[in-house]
Amino acid sequence: EVQLVESGGDLVQPGGSLRLSCAASGFIVGSNSMSWVRQAPGRGLESISLIYSGGNTFYADSVKARFSISRDNSKNTLYLQMNSLRAEDTAVYYCARALLHFGVVSGFDYWGQGILVTVSS
Amino acid sequence: DIQMTQSPSSLSASVGDRVTITCRASQSINNFLNWYQQKPGKAPKLLIYAASSLQSGVPSRFSGHGSGTDFTLTISSLQPEDFATYYCQQGYSTPTITFGQGTRLEIK
Repeated sequence: EVQLVESGGDLVQPGGSLRLSCAASGFIVGSNSMSWVRQAPGRGLESISLIYSGGNTFYADSVKARFSISRDNSKNTLYLQMNSLRAEDTAVYYCARALLHFGVVSGFDYWGQGILVTVSS
Repeated sequence: DIQMTQSPSSLSASVGDRVTITCRASQSINNFLNWYQQKPGKAPKLLIYAASSLQSGVPSRFSGHGSGTDFTLTISSLQPEDFATYYCQQGYSTPTITFGQGTRLEIK
C-alpha cells in the first residue's frame, strides 16, 4: 500500500527555519518525481516545489531562494527545508507524488495527510 | 504563469442532481488538465487526469471533458459523499503548475 506521512510541522517565529519530512512506503521516492503543495488557511492549493526523478529541482517564485527540496533514497524520504519563514508561509503542507507523462505533470496521485506550519511571533 | 479560473466558486445542489463545474485556462493547455476533490481536513484526491481519463477507483459518475482552454467536470448523479471542494490543475507549463481557486459544492 502506498503511503506518505509528513512530519516536522510546528509554530515558528518569522525569520526562522523548519524542515519538513515526508516518509514514503509502497514505492521508491528516488524513482519518482515528488512535489510539495501547500494550502493557506481557508485558501486554495499552491504547488511550491518539485523534484524530478533525475534530481533536478524547481521552486515557485514565492519560495525561491528560501526553500529547498531534497530526498534521502536510503530512508525513502522527501524533505523540504524552509528558511527565512514569513507569516504568509503559514499553511498546511502536503507532499505528493507527481505523475509525469512526456515531461508534463499529469496529476498528483498520492498525497500525505498534510502538516501544519504556523509562522507567527 | 497560466491562470486557471473555475466557475462557479460555490454551488448548491441536491442528491441525485447532475452538476457541472467549469475551468478555464488563460491560454491553451491542450488536454493537460487534472481534477481533484478535497474534503475538509483531508488531502486532495485525484479524480480525472488528462482532461477526461478517470483515475483508478473513482466512480464512473465523474467525467471530464475539454481541450485547449475550456474544461468541465460533471457529476452525473450527486451522492452524499460528493459534497466537497473541487480543484482543477494544469500541468502544461510543468514545472510551473497552477490550480484553480476551487469550487465548493454544498448540499441544498
